[in-house]
Amino acid sequence: QQPVQSPQAVILREGEDAVINCSSSKALYSVHWYRQKHGEAPVFLMILLKGGEQKGHDKISASFNEKKQQSSLYLTASQLSYSGTYFCGTEKGAQKLVFGQGTRLTINP
Amino acid sequence: GAGVSQSPRYKVAKRGQDVALRCDPISGHVSLFWYQQALGQGPEFLTYFQNEAQLDKSGLPSDRFFAERPEGSVSTLKIQRTQQEDSAVYLCASSLQVLDSYEQYFGPGTRLTVT
Repeated sequence: QQPVQSPQAVILREGEDAVINCSSSKALYSVHWYRQKHGEAPVFLMILLKGGEQKGHDKISASFNEKKQQSSLYLTASQLSYSGTYFCGTEKGAQKLVFGQGTRLTINP
Repeated sequence: GAGVSQSPRYKVAKRGQDVALRCDPISGHVSLFWYQQALGQGPEFLTYFQNEAQLDKSGLPSDRFFAERPEGSVSTLKIQRTQQEDSAVYLCASSLQVLDSYEQYFGPGTRLTVT
């Protein structure tokens, strides 16, 4: 079952914060977060495996709620380099990822 | 170190032609995946290899699509008798681990346009 992302698009000024949500009607096995810039390969950000888990590096962090039905990606004090489309993916057996439809993030100076 | 590479980066094919897309995974990566990405959409799973064994091909859209990884390294995705609906970016990804959840490293993709 494909996870649902919200919002579909976000426009921010540099320095503002953003939250991207990924949810499912059923418990997710795990959540993978990727960022893809136009014409480039998706780049891995992080994986969350356990309900209640939180991870982060630099100013990008993510959480996975206790029931494992929603994950949120937090971008703090956004930089121009954060622009791109963010995808969450969940596993459907043996690392086979099912991706959400993506959230397009635009950061303006 | 070298990442996942794919060739060609762009391919234009006339409807009905056969195409072959190549993927060179990161050296030592056991798992290899093919995804199809339509414009404005997330990648969609096509098929998965563990070494040379194709363990899951449930995402292949039709029997015109065929993938192989004969020596457990380089993989080729072949599309026979291409149709306009095959136009998309084809992404290859590789992963070091087999059983545990592990990051997938994606290549830059091959953009296929069928005219």
